[in-house]
Amino acid sequence: QQQVKQSPQSLIVQKGGISIINCAYENTAFDYFPWYQQFPGKGPALLIAIRPDVSEKKEGRFTISFNKSAKQFSLHIMDSQPGDSATYFCAASKGYSGAGSYQLTFGKGTKLSVIP
Amino acid sequence: DAGITQSPRHKVTETGTPVTLRCHQTENHRYMYWYRQDPGHGLRLIHYSYGVKDTDKGEVSDGYSVSRSKTEDFLLTLESATSSQTSVYFCATKGTSGRIPHEQFFGPGTRLTVL
Repeated sequence: QQQVKQSPQSLIVQKGGISIINCAYENTAFDYFPWYQQFPGKGPALLIAIRPDVSEKKEGRFTISFNKSAKQFSLHIMDSQPGDSATYFCAASKGYSGAGSYQLTFGKGTKLSVIP
Repeated sequence: DAGITQSPRHKVTETGTPVTLRCHQTENHRYMYWYRQDPGHGLRLIHYSYGVKDTDKGEVSDGYSVSRSKTEDFLLTLESATSSQTSVYFCATKGTSGRIPHEQFFGPGTRLTVL
């Protein structure tokens, strides 16, 4: 059972355009939603994260929009650049306020290509 | 980058042979994780550790075992490798404090091919 569904699988965007990647989750116990960025041959790295008590978080050109009632969240990359070309993973975990291991459940990933 | 190294970085082995992958960290992080990454499946958790000698199973633990005898080292063992275990394996660590306390830091990965 896939607990975090990510779409699209691949995305091609022109330089300067907006890239949008969507994720949906099923488990209402999830309370932490990070996005990871992975370049070819490298391990993933945290890009931005959000908790469900806010509807939006912005860091530079990257914004997470969160819709708790719909159990959906999305990553928006404004003014997309060729250097943003990478694979993006959404993820979810639970137990933010506890002392647990914060296991992450990942989406299947979106390969973003930004063309000049 | 968090000080995470994985060894070997590449390995080709034959079906039925035992394989051990090593993850070493210098950050003194409490939590360590092993993931596998496969096309179309994203990252899936194999096992994780929440302290020395404390480990637990993840989503895809069948065929894998782990050990953690020191804070800095987390070993993943495939007792008898199968072709379905051909994958890229990532180690990750997480501390208990810091600006983003829930951030997992990933190593560079090990590409394993089982023939």
